[in-house]
Amino acid sequence: DVKVTQSSRYLVKRTGEKVFLECVQDMDHENMFWYRQDPGLGLRLIYFSYDVKMKEKGDIPEGYSVSREKKERFSLILESASTNQTSMYLCASSPGSGLDTGELFFGEGSRLTVL
Amino acid sequence: DQQVKQNSPSLSVQEGRISILNCDYTNSMFDYFLWYKKYPAEGPTFLISISSIKDKNEDGRFTVFLNKSAKHLSLHIVPSQPGDSAVYFCAASAINSGNTPLVFGKGTRLSVIA
Repeated sequence: DVKVTQSSRYLVKRTGEKVFLECVQDMDHENMFWYRQDPGLGLRLIYFSYDVKMKEKGDIPEGYSVSREKKERFSLILESASTNQTSMYLCASSPGSGLDTGELFFGEGSRLTVL
Repeated sequence: DQQVKQNSPSLSVQEGRISILNCDYTNSMFDYFLWYKKYPAEGPTFLISISSIKDKNEDGRFTVFLNKSAKHLSLHIVPSQPGDSAVYFCAASAINSGNTPLVFGKGTRLSVIA
C-alpha cells in the first residue's frame, strides 16, 4: 500500500512564525502535491512537483514556498504565518512516468492553527 | 473560473435509500474522472473512477455515471449506510493532454440518517 506520511497532525503557531510541513511518500512516486482544504472551498492546490528540485505553482501559491530535495520528500513552508493560513493541509503523491491516471494518494492531513 | 462544480454543498438521505451526488465540468479536455471520500480529520481516499470512453463504472454499492455530452457525472450509492456520511469530492484530469494536476470540485457533504 502507498503510504504518504505527514509529519504533524496538529500544529498551533503564532502569527509571523516560520512553519514547516513535511511530507514523505514510500512508493517512489514522481509527483507530489500540497493542497489546503477549507469549508466551502474544497481542495485548493498550493504547489506541486513532478521531479526532484522541480516545483510548479498551483492555484493559491501566495504566502507559501516548497522544497523537494529528495524524491520521497516534499516540504511546504510558510515563511511568515498569518491567521488566514489556518487550515487543513493535505499532501498527496501520484506515480507519474506514464503510469498516472491522475489518482492521488493522500496523507492524513495537518491541521494548522495560526493565532 | 471553476472547471469542476458540485452545486450541492450538502445532502441528507435515509439509511437504505439511494444517494445521488452530482458533478458538472466545463473543460472538454477532461478524460478521466474520480470520486474521493473524506472523513473529518483524515485525508481523502479514492472511491471510484471512470474513463471518458465509458459511461458507467460500478464497484459494489457505488456506481459512477458519465454523460459526456452534458459534461455531467454522478455518483450513486445504494443502499446508503451511516458509514457513508462524509464529504465527497469529484475530480477530473486531462490524462491525454499531458501531466496536469487533478482539478477538484468543492465537495458535497453527505449525511446518511439511520
